[in-house]
Amino acid sequence: GEEVAQTPKHLVRGEGQKAKLYCAPIKGHSYVFWYQQVLKNEFKFLISFQNENVFDETGMPKERFSAKCLPNSPCSLEIQATKLEDSAVYFCASSQFSGTIGTDTQYFGPGTRLTVL
Amino acid sequence: ILNVEQSPQSLHVQEGDSTNFTCSFPSSNFYALHWYRWETAKSPEALFVMTLNGDEKKKGRISATLNTKEGYSYLYIKGSQPEDSATYLCAFYNGGSQGNLIFGKGTKLSVKP
Repeated sequence: GEEVAQTPKHLVRGEGQKAKLYCAPIKGHSYVFWYQQVLKNEFKFLISFQNENVFDETGMPKERFSAKCLPNSPCSLEIQATKLEDSAVYFCASSQFSGTIGTDTQYFGPGTRLTVL
Repeated sequence: ILNVEQSPQSLHVQEGDSTNFTCSFPSSNFYALHWYRWETAKSPEALFVMTLNGDEKKKGRISATLNTKEGYSYLYIKGSQPEDSATYLCAFYNGGSQGNLIFGKGTKLSVKP
């Protein structure tokens, strides 16, 4: 597709429940990034993929967060045993690779708003 | 810790006014500076990617300049319109192999008709 698609738009979970978010990158883009927006306007990097391989996961909380990008499937971000502080908007972005990864435009999806009660 | 600062936090202007705001970033290890326009509940929209000192880019009434030696970029909007109301985010890339962007907190622009 021509846009990054994220589903669902909204997700409500009770504390301790699992949450799974999906991202379909723009067709032909090699890189996928996940960002978490917790406080107002603060986008925090979580993890990136080059095709189906984890490229960088330095931003991921190790214990409860996991992510995958499998061939012919949307990428996913899963949170086991959600906590109140996981409430945030989770954005996915994708980019082509033209030489130096961080100089390529990252195209963002509309985000998934996760509310943990 | 890499800090990207944006000022002002918020800005209210009248329709027709021209305005500008600032993004400050570390001047060492500069690779790229990205500008995004973001309306709540929508996808952040890519405006510019700037890589060269002295770069100046333009898209309609919006333009941006870059000074990598002193670590700042300005975004200008000429003749603001109500539809320009949004949060403008800048994001810095310092050349790390990971490629992830470090975002500022944005400048929220409100344009009154």
